[in-house]
Amino acid sequence: DTAVSQTPKYLVTQMGNDKSIKCEQNLGHDTMYWYKQDSKKFLKIMFSYNNKELIINETVPNRFSPKSPDKAHLNLHINSLELGDSAVYFCASSPRDRGLEQYFGPGTRLTVT
Amino acid sequence: SQKIEQNSEALNIQEGKTATLTCNYTNYSPAYLQWYRQDPGRGPVFLLLIRENEKEKRKERLKVTFDTTLKQSLFHITASQPADSATYLCALVYNQGGKLIFGQGTELSVKP
Repeated sequence: DTAVSQTPKYLVTQMGNDKSIKCEQNLGHDTMYWYKQDSKKFLKIMFSYNNKELIINETVPNRFSPKSPDKAHLNLHINSLELGDSAVYFCASSPRDRGLEQYFGPGTRLTVT
Repeated sequence: SQKIEQNSEALNIQEGKTATLTCNYTNYSPAYLQWYRQDPGRGPVFLLLIRENEKEKRKERLKVTFDTTLKQSLFHITASQPADSATYLCALVYNQGGKLIFGQGTELSVKP
């Protein structure tokens, strides 16, 4: 199936740990994104990559580091996890010249205890 | 900074009626305005996009209007069905920065 996939779906970890979330899209899109959706359901952009190049880097702590090995993959690594990092993280991709129409992955629910 | 407001209260309507959701924004108008549907535990799904110079867009039972004077978009679902129950998000795209800014969403519940 053509889609945006993320792993893992659920991630439960303790404060201070380092974790990664992986994202892959097979839609042939040039641009990929990471979003964070908090408990109030606000969806906020964190990063955007275009052809492996960082385009958008919102005010996100340095503990968050995206990595794009190729244009179909965008991974998110988080160091020294904090309680406030608990949220649902969505990966998305968008095709060129379509008004940034986003295709979202299923989300990764991160719980930091 | 840009603010987007959607009805924070859930919208409850009867099956067969038209659901109307509102998205208001402040400051300057976006280049594009998009609507998404989000079901519990899932990622948002793109529904419709309307450009700054367009007044109205339709897709099957969905209709979006865009009024840059009122700084408002309305999203209509005609002949609503229980399967339309979900949270609907509006998102604005500005040419500068190339990113989407999302509203907080409105939860729609269609009762049979």
